[in-house]
Amino acid sequence: LAKITQPISMDSYEGQEVNITCSHNNIATNDYITWYQQFPSQGPRFIIQGYKTKVTNEVASLFIPADRKSSTLSLPRVSLSDTAVYYCLVGDGSNTGKLIFGQGTTLQVKP
Amino acid sequence: SAVISQKPSRDICQRGTSLTIQCQVDSQVTMMFWYRQQPGQSLTLIATANQGSEATYESGFVIDKFPISRPNLTFSTLTVSNMSPEDSSIYLCSVGAYSSYNEQFFGPGTRLTVL
Repeated sequence: LAKITQPISMDSYEGQEVNITCSHNNIATNDYITWYQQFPSQGPRFIIQGYKTKVTNEVASLFIPADRKSSTLSLPRVSLSDTAVYYCLVGDGSNTGKLIFGQGTTLQVKP
Repeated sequence: SAVISQKPSRDICQRGTSLTIQCQVDSQVTMMFWYRQQPGQSLTLIATANQGSEATYESGFVIDKFPISRPNLTFSTLTVSNMSPEDSSIYLCSVGAYSSYNEQFFGPGTRLTVL
């Protein structure tokens, strides 16, 4: 399994763009990169997933360089409600379906 | 997407007792997963529960402590047996999405406190 490193915490202010970078140096060829968001007292929620280059949806963008050894989750113009823990996961989507969660990044958005 | 409910949402139990947590999904799914999240920590996978087969446990988790049932494609239970205060955690179930790799839908969790 890929070893994942992401910052433990980040602070931001409302209206700013937030970029959370995840390092996964030994990512395997078949691995996808997936990000989850977890609010207090709730289960994690899928945000975005990608394999290479850039993926964008209505919530976030995911940037993956050519070597795929890192990825950056970009949240445009955050609000107070974006305060949450963000998890970077790497997996191959194999028929085991297993997700291995790392420590996550606690994002605190301030007014 | 899938809508997942868990019962109970929270409970306070005495040491040495057992608690069974129910997970109900609004659609038929093959893969279901049980996680534990200790206070202030990340999620740890306990086991994978596929219908029609024995649950597969991760390292550090055993069937005698966390027996799992999966009687059909929409339901599963996790029992926390012979509880101790160290079992105080949030227990979450999840199901896999067919639409994309590594996407899972999580239930709201069951907050367990063992005294």
